[in-house]
Amino acid sequence: EAGVTQFPSHSVIEKGQTVTLRCDPISGHDNLYWYRRVMGKEIKFLLHFVKESKQDESGMPNNRFLAERTGGTYSTLKVQPAELEDSGVYFCASSTTSGSFDTQYFGPGTRLTVL
Amino acid sequence: AQSVAQPEDQVNVAEGNPLTVKCTYSVSGNPYLFWYVQYPNRGLQFLLKYITGDNLVKGSYGFEAEFNKSQTSFHLKKPSALVSDSALYFCAVRERESNYQLIWGAGTKLIIKP
Repeated sequence: EAGVTQFPSHSVIEKGQTVTLRCDPISGHDNLYWYRRVMGKEIKFLLHFVKESKQDESGMPNNRFLAERTGGTYSTLKVQPAELEDSGVYFCASSTTSGSFDTQYFGPGTRLTVL
Repeated sequence: AQSVAQPEDQVNVAEGNPLTVKCTYSVSGNPYLFWYVQYPNRGLQFLLKYITGDNLVKGSYGFEAEFNKSQTSFHLKKPSALVSDSALYFCAVRERESNYQLIWGAGTKLIIKP
């Protein structure tokens, strides 16, 4: 069974540019999450999809961030325009059940550098 | 405010010795507790979790963790460390009656010396 995959693994962009990150969850996982770790600090929750619906987007920092999950399969996270403080590692995770004790399985992350 | 504390930025252990990576939390209710590990240039890998029942839970690669409700702690342990255990370890919690987001500690770098 393939794990969670993320693309690209690294992205270096200029301030003001747009970047789109992609996450492919484990097949059959309805729950998809985005997290990020900025500058060695704690990993922070961004949002949670159940299938194609946004269940919780309380962690999205501002309206420069847009997440989508069309068709309930893969998800994209777009940052437009990117700012210096957006640099960090963006992790995607997925889980299979809607129960409250499900385990989230993570992808390798996308390292974003904004210059 | 909900928080998870990993008081040690780095833990150094000699190979073959027991190791402990500490985690305490401040979350309402009785949360679910998790440990994840990140090896160099790799993603976050699930190690183990506590949901209910026995306070000592066993996970991957010989790791175990002890839940202590009175001390709100969930320390990660291993009886005999391997050099290959060197990695970054994260403790995370999730409220039972709440949403699905994980609240994370800052991570502890574990270095096992030969």
